[in-house]
Amino acid sequence: GESVGLHLPTLSVQEGDNSIINCAYSNSASDYFIWYKQESGKGPQFIIDIRSNMDKRQGQRVTVLLNKTVKHLSLQIAATQPGDSAVYFCAENAAGGTSYGKLTFGQGTILTVHP
Amino acid sequence: DAGVTQSPTHLIKTRGQQVTLRCSPISGHKSVSWYQQVLGQGPQFIFQYYEKEERGRGNFPDRFSARQFPNYSSELNVNALLLGDSALYLCASSLWSGAFSYEQYFGPGTRLTVT
Repeated sequence: GESVGLHLPTLSVQEGDNSIINCAYSNSASDYFIWYKQESGKGPQFIIDIRSNMDKRQGQRVTVLLNKTVKHLSLQIAATQPGDSAVYFCAENAAGGTSYGKLTFGQGTILTVHP
Repeated sequence: DAGVTQSPTHLIKTRGQQVTLRCSPISGHKSVSWYQQVLGQGPQFIFQYYEKEERGRGNFPDRFSARQFPNYSSELNVNALLLGDSALYLCASSLWSGAFSYEQYFGPGTRLTVT
């Protein structure tokens, strides 16, 4: 079945460091990927997305890399700040039929940024 | 601009009871999806509605139902509540039109506790 998983459940970094959060997916039909940030007591917050026809996309302080060969996704956060501390989820969506609206989430990585 | 809104924020119900959760999407968004997030896990897809029609359904029992109204707001109903239904219920809205995947924006969620 479809699944999206994360290699590292927790990640601790110092303020100012760069952070890399990894994600593996198993559905080869997935063609759209999103990274979300979820703070305690809040809903997931959209960070950045990427489609399968791209291998890299950059936002403000964030970069998402997609390697379809090994079904791997990563989120890079530059100059990590204490406000970046949260749980980060990758989510994937498979093309076609009624699947467009269905995001499949991984379990999440807890990022802790120490001042 | 107002984001996705959900009501109520918190809810406590007894086993066997029924519950209705409400969601208002971002203005202009015609697609609403519902997710269940159990503590410590990623959100699980329940339903997607677009233009008042169900367009996707996750692996949830028939006790779960939903509908979308002409103003694109949505309700999620859960009958015969079980202890295992205790979770954060998230609503996400999207510009999804049926052709491509689009980013989904989440509301703050409704925390349901079943005792």
